[in-house]
Amino acid sequence: QVQLVQSGAEVKKPGASVKVSCKASGYTFTTYDINWVRQAAGQGLEWMGWMNPNNGNTGTAQRFQGRVTMTKDTSKSTAYMELSGLTFEDTAMYYCARGGYDYRRDFDYWGQGTLVTVSS
Amino acid sequence: DIIMTQSPLSLPVTPGEPASISCRSSQSLLHSNGYNYLDWYLQRPGQSPQLLIYLASNRASGVPDRFSGSGAGTDFTLKINRVEADDVGIYYCMQSLQIPWTFGQGTKVEIK
Repeated sequence: QVQLVQSGAEVKKPGASVKVSCKASGYTFTTYDINWVRQAAGQGLEWMGWMNPNNGNTGTAQRFQGRVTMTKDTSKSTAYMELSGLTFEDTAMYYCARGGYDYRRDFDYWGQGTLVTVSS
Repeated sequence: DIIMTQSPLSLPVTPGEPASISCRSSQSLLHSNGYNYLDWYLQRPGQSPQLLIYLASNRASGVPDRFSGSGAGTDFTLKINRVEADDVGIYYCMQSLQIPWTFGQGTKVEIK
């Protein structure tokens, strides 16, 4: 069965970077895009960006441009999202989600989430 | 950016009764391929979101037929035929026509 398993919770200081991983299984990793969505406590969902694991192409929401780097290790069927220049406002749950196959762009499978806490 | 507006933001429901959530977009979500790029997600308490409806009206795999999606252009609706206790959570619409993909504010569904 399809699964996306994310790395564990992180605590970082302001100004630091965090790298979250998302390991895919149960399907061919390079066939679907990986998207990243975050959610601050008690708040709504915010799309951050996507990556095509086949060719490495990425797209990022403008507000995160220059701070987000999305990469992959195809041999490990794993996608990574690195967020730099952390501020307290980056404290949130970060999700990876599978999407973008053929004409579809919905997110049909989600990871369990990675809690990133920015604290001094 | 395309702005997504949901209503109501809070929806108390009685089990067995129908429920409806509206989602409006600031511009048409109709792609030149004929599809409306509007999806619905449910986030149960303490869980990751799950896909309910894609391309405005298609139920995702495993989603009960009590859930249905309709609409086109800028106006969309999610309907639950007969609400069950398991349906509580926050429902989000999301547009994926134009980057950045954007979500509605969410509609919290709770049992009366």
